Parts: sequence; C-alpha cells; structure tokens
Amino acid sequence: DAKTTQPPSMDCAEGRAANLPCNHSTISGNEYVYWYRQIHSQGPQYIIHGLKNNETNEMASLIITEDRKSSTLILPHATLRDTAVYYCIVRVNAGGTSYGKLTFGQGTILTVHP
Amino acid sequence: ETGVTQSPTHLIKTRGQQVTLRCSSQSGHNTVSWYQQALGQGPQFIFQYYREEENGRGNFPPRFSGLQFPNYSSELNVNALELDDSALYLCASSLTSGGKNIQYFGAGTRLSVL
Repeated sequence: DAKTTQPPSMDCAEGRAANLPCNHSTISGNEYVYWYRQIHSQGPQYIIHGLKNNETNEMASLIITEDRKSSTLILPHATLRDTAVYYCIVRVNAGGTSYGKLTFGQGTILTVHP
Repeated sequence: ETGVTQSPTHLIKTRGQQVTLRCSSQSGHNTVSWYQQALGQGPQFIFQYYREEENGRGNFPPRFSGLQFPNYSSELNVNALELDDSALYLCASSLTSGGKNIQYFGAGTRLSVL
C-alpha cells in the first residue's frame, strides 16, 4: 500500500470548514483513498473513501487531485465533537483472495475550538 | 454505532498468561480484521479472517492467533503475554463483496499486562 503524509496537527474554529490535507504521491491506479477518524478512547470511525472522483456524504467531502497524488478531507461546519485524530489511508480494495488491511499512520490531530 | 461489539472492554493479565478477546461482527459481514493500537500510535494490522480462514497477516508472532466462527464472530488469542502486549485491541468487520470492503470498528478491548 502506498504511504501517506499528513500534518501532525491542525486547529479549526467551531462552525468553520476544516480542510485536512493528505499526500499520497506513490499511489497506484487501483488504490483507493480512505479516511477514518478516532475520537479519544474509541474505535476508528469510517468517514469516506474514493478512487478518483470527488465524493460527498453526510459527514464530509473528499477532494482528490486529478493526478491523485494528494487529497483533502473537508468537514464543512466543524463542531467540538469533530475533535479527533484523522487518518488518511491508501489501499487496494479487497477482492477474491486479496485482503484489505488498513495501514494507519500517525494521522492528523484536529482540534476544534469554540 | 457500528454494530460491532467487543468483549471484555478492559482486561488485566500478568506476564506469561494467555488471553482471549471476542468480537461480534455487524450482521451480514463475512470478514473480520484485528488490530493492535499501542498508546499514542495508530492501529497496527494483526490479521484478517474471511469465511473462517485466515486471509492475511501482519508482522505479529505466532503466539497471536485467531478464529472466525460460522456466524462470523471472531476470537483473538494471545499466548505467553509480554508487557509490550499492553494495548487497545480493535476488531473491525466488513463485507468483502465485489472489491468493496469498508471496515467498521468496535470500541476495542483495553489489555493491560503487568
């Protein structure tokens, strides 16, 4: 799986958009970009994933650059409850005999303040 | 709520003992993955079970073993516990189908080895 690089920490004001960047310059054509977050002492929570098109769901938006070497997770209106460690993960989707392990890095600690 | 439940939530063992951790998958999921998360680190992949067979393993010694049952629930067994085995153990269930494999995590079991 390709390696990802994320800033160690970011701050965001409550109600503002939080834009979390991720660099994955060695991504392969069949690798997806996944985002998870982990609130203190809980299990990681799936947020969103994508291959090359921008994606949006009820939690967030994922913007992937055209060359797929980087992406940005956008939380449109951050709240205090969005304070967490955010992990950007690149991996091949599981299928057949392959397996889909998630390789977590250090992630970005997002702190949302009032 | 992900529908993935782990038991027990906390456990204290002494060095050399054996431990069994349990995971109940989300309904309809056929794949279970186990991760170890040391304090201040991202989760590390231990192994994955698909349809009751081990389907991938991370860099963990053989004293880490697992089982997946016909109802797709799972156990993680660790023999000859070492102090460094103290960590949060996370179970994630997913449905491997058509190349899609989103993993949903439980809240974890906190293991302390004294």
